[in-house]
Amino acid sequence: DAGVIQSPRHEVTEMGQEVTLRCKPISGHNSLFWYRQTMMRGLELLIYFNNNVPIDDSGMPEDRFSAKMPNASFSTLKIQPSEPRDSAVYFCASGGLSGANVLTFGAGSRLTVL
Amino acid sequence: EDQVTQSPEALRLQEGESSSLNCSYTVSGLRGLFWYRQDPGKGPEFLFTLYSAGEEKEKERLKATLTKKESFLHITAPKPEDSATYLCAVQAHTPLVFGKGTRLSVIA
Repeated sequence: DAGVIQSPRHEVTEMGQEVTLRCKPISGHNSLFWYRQTMMRGLELLIYFNNNVPIDDSGMPEDRFSAKMPNASFSTLKIQPSEPRDSAVYFCASGGLSGANVLTFGAGSRLTVL
Repeated sequence: EDQVTQSPEALRLQEGESSSLNCSYTVSGLRGLFWYRQDPGKGPEFLFTLYSAGEEKEKERLKATLTKKESFLHITAPKPEDSATYLCAVQAHTPLVFGKGTRLSVIA
């Protein structure tokens, strides 16, 4: 298995632009999580899905952030419009039925908003 | 609100110098405590899960222990390849809540 696949690995954009981050979870995993990591705040949960359904999006900082999971093999996190304070590393993670608590993380998408 | 505090923030050891990392937590109804390792430019990688006080898990030079208020990650005779950030996370009724991590540097 290739693991959790995220793209792009690096994104540099200007304030006000739309940013879309993508994630392909491990096949067979039914839970998907989006985390954001910064030096100041560490890893913060943004949103998670079970069986493609959003369960808790209380960690999404503002309406500028949205996430979708149209099918079991794909999820997106969109920021529109982006701001410099959104600069961070965004991680996607997936978990299986029996080991839902054990998450497998992707390599992350490093976002820089100028 | 579930809280996880890790100490120290950074730790520098000589190769072979054993030490421990601390993870203190406040959570109602702990379902599991998790340790992850994160290398620069990579995502966190799962190490251990502990479920109840008194439980211990070992993997190579690492041993994780759990009490009702904290967990320790003991590193015995570390090597330079053990250098990484070690993250602790707890799960109660929500997905994993992570601490900010301890950055470990092992110098040859």
